[in-house]
Amino acid sequence: AQSVSQHNHHVILSEAASLELGCNYSYGGTVNLFWYVQYPGQHLQLLLKYFSGDPLVKGIKGFEAEFIKSKFSFNLRKPSVQWSDTAEYFCAVNKGGSQGNLIFGKGTKLSVKP
Amino acid sequence: SQTIHQWPATLVQPVGSPLSLECTVEGTSNPNLYWYRQAAGRGLQLLFYSVGIGQISSEVPQNLSASRPQDRQFILSSKKLLLSDSGFYLCAWAQTGVYGYTFGSGTRLTVV
Repeated sequence: AQSVSQHNHHVILSEAASLELGCNYSYGGTVNLFWYVQYPGQHLQLLLKYFSGDPLVKGIKGFEAEFIKSKFSFNLRKPSVQWSDTAEYFCAVNKGGSQGNLIFGKGTKLSVKP
Repeated sequence: SQTIHQWPATLVQPVGSPLSLECTVEGTSNPNLYWYRQAAGRGLQLLFYSVGIGQISSEVPQNLSASRPQDRQFILSSKKLLLSDSGFYLCAWAQTGVYGYTFGSGTRLTVV
């Protein structure tokens, strides 16, 4: 069955540190890839998405993610985090051309210390 | 613009009581609709999805059911709640599913 793995349950960083959150998926066909963010007390928001083309995708708030097909990975990165980036981050995958049922990873909590 | 409404925001219900959570979407037609449950340490689990009125697909066997009586209305129900039904329930919609979802604000359900 299709699955999504996020390697880190909780990441703690100081402001200005660089961030990389891992995401791997198990499906071998064409996929669409997403990162969602949930700030404390808020609902899930789309951070960025990849369908095709340039494997380096830029999202909102300085985030980017790189799709590496050979590694089945879609890691999220940010060069310099801020306290306001404290949130839970979810990677999600769906099969390209499907009805679009997203399969989510278990999420990674990011805590940024001021 | 499209909006999604979900209510109530929080709910405390005794074991064995019924449940009805409602989700409505505005500003679009024939959306795909989804119910997810978010449990601590378990991420987001897809419970049900619907591609049209009266069409419900269940992803996991459970104590819950879903219905779509109108194009932009999606209801999550239970006849008798269990303790294990506690969690954070999220409704989402997508026009095609390919372009990512828009989520509602969620309902925190505590079964006591």
